[in-house]
Amino acid sequence: NAGVMQNPRHLVRRRGQEARLRCSPMKGHSHVYWYRQLPEEGLKFMVYLQKENIIDESGMPKERFSAEFPKEGPSILRIQQVVRGDSAAYFCASSRLAGSSYNEQFFGPGTRLTVL
Amino acid sequence: QQQVKQSPQSLIVQKGGISIINCAYENTAFDYFPWYQQFPGKGPALLIAIRPDVSEKKEGRFTISFNKSAKQFSLHIMDSQPGDSATYFCAASNSGGSNYKLTFGKGTLLTVNP
Repeated sequence: NAGVMQNPRHLVRRRGQEARLRCSPMKGHSHVYWYRQLPEEGLKFMVYLQKENIIDESGMPKERFSAEFPKEGPSILRIQQVVRGDSAAYFCASSRLAGSSYNEQFFGPGTRLTVL
Repeated sequence: QQQVKQSPQSLIVQKGGISIINCAYENTAFDYFPWYQQFPGKGPALLIAIRPDVSEKKEGRFTISFNKSAKQFSLHIMDSQPGDSATYFCAASNSGGSNYKLTFGKGTLLTVNP
């Protein structure tokens, strides 16, 4: 019974490169959330996706960041032209169904992005 | 605007003692309040959650107390153990709409001394 899977676990990029983070939700989960955690900070919501739809991207920076959750395959968080301020831990969470009484979100182990 | 305020920032407790972490929220539309436990280098793990139709929920050594009128909720860890040493986050969301995103507090670093 695999949990939420994220890869890579660690990613090092130089300024200006692209970072691509992948998330596979738990089996049976169709909702994916991305959160960012800066050092000594709590988690900040970035984007909420269902299959092939972005539901809420109000936490995403307006430029360089994008997310998708295709019909097949994992959800992808893409950061173009990375800068040092993008260095953080990026967590993906998944939940089961829309309209469920409890929004239990289960988190993956995270991808720790370091921008040199 | 910080919608969920968590305190204290850090907490040191002796083994066997009670750890208490408090959170206050502003958005009255919030109706789901989970607590997450995070160990260094790991993702947050759901510990226990409560909805505002009850004032207390207990699971093992972990208890959530909820005060709807004060817009506050707290986590109590009874008989704290060194293995409980971790960062604890409270969170809140509004399940009445179509977006279940979580708003987190800034976390409490708990250290339980042996």
